Amino acid sequence: AQKITQTQPGMFVQEKEAVTLDCTYDTSDPSYGLFWYKQPSSGEMIFLIYQGSYDQQNATEGRYSLNFQKARKSANLVISASQLGDSAMYFCAMSLSNAGNNRKLIWGLGTSLAVNP
Amino acid sequence: DTGVSQNPRHKITKRGQNVTFRCDPISEHNRLYWYRQTLGQGPEFLTYFQNEAQLEKSRLLSDRFSAERPKGSFSTLEIQRTEQGDSAMYLCASSFQTGRSEQFFGPGTRLTVL
Repeated sequence: AQKITQTQPGMFVQEKEAVTLDCTYDTSDPSYGLFWYKQPSSGEMIFLIYQGSYDQQNATEGRYSLNFQKARKSANLVISASQLGDSAMYFCAMSLSNAGNNRKLIWGLGTSLAVNP
Repeated sequence: DTGVSQNPRHKITKRGQNVTFRCDPISEHNRLYWYRQTLGQGPEFLTYFQNEAQLEKSRLLSDRFSAERPKGSFSTLEIQRTEQGDSAMYLCASSFQTGRSEQFFGPGTRLTVL
């Protein structure tokens, strides 16, 4: 069965420091996509970063990078130089691929990140 | 603003009533998804459309739930005979069909069933 596990219910980080949010996944499909989304208290899901299962390099988007370790089935999100506005819920999600086209997302329970000034 | 929009943003209803939510996706996107999110949980997939065709439905989607996307543009999600357990945030997202197809979400409709 496909599953996403986020083992950190809550995390704290000091402003300007880096933080790593953990995500492990389980699937037997060879083709999948991994996503990270941010959900502030306003409720809207904001796309952050994507990693495809066949991508050779780890994805980066500005201050966000994804530490993809395929053999360990982990896709940790690294946020560098944390800002107060980074305080939010962070969700890891997996999309199974159908002929290269990603489908529905399967989600973890999320990690609540608090950035301290 | 050309993002995903959802209406209404909040809905309070009494148990047993029917409710309908609307989602307007990003116009270039041909895929549209519905998810449900309860407090402290990640979203749960409900159903998705490619153009006007409903390609997949979750087992969570009981026969009280129905979704349509009649012209391949906006979509509606109807819940009949609402129950207190239906109280949740209903999220709509849209994406392109091909490539990595990240999903872009609307602000959600928060349903409270009294």
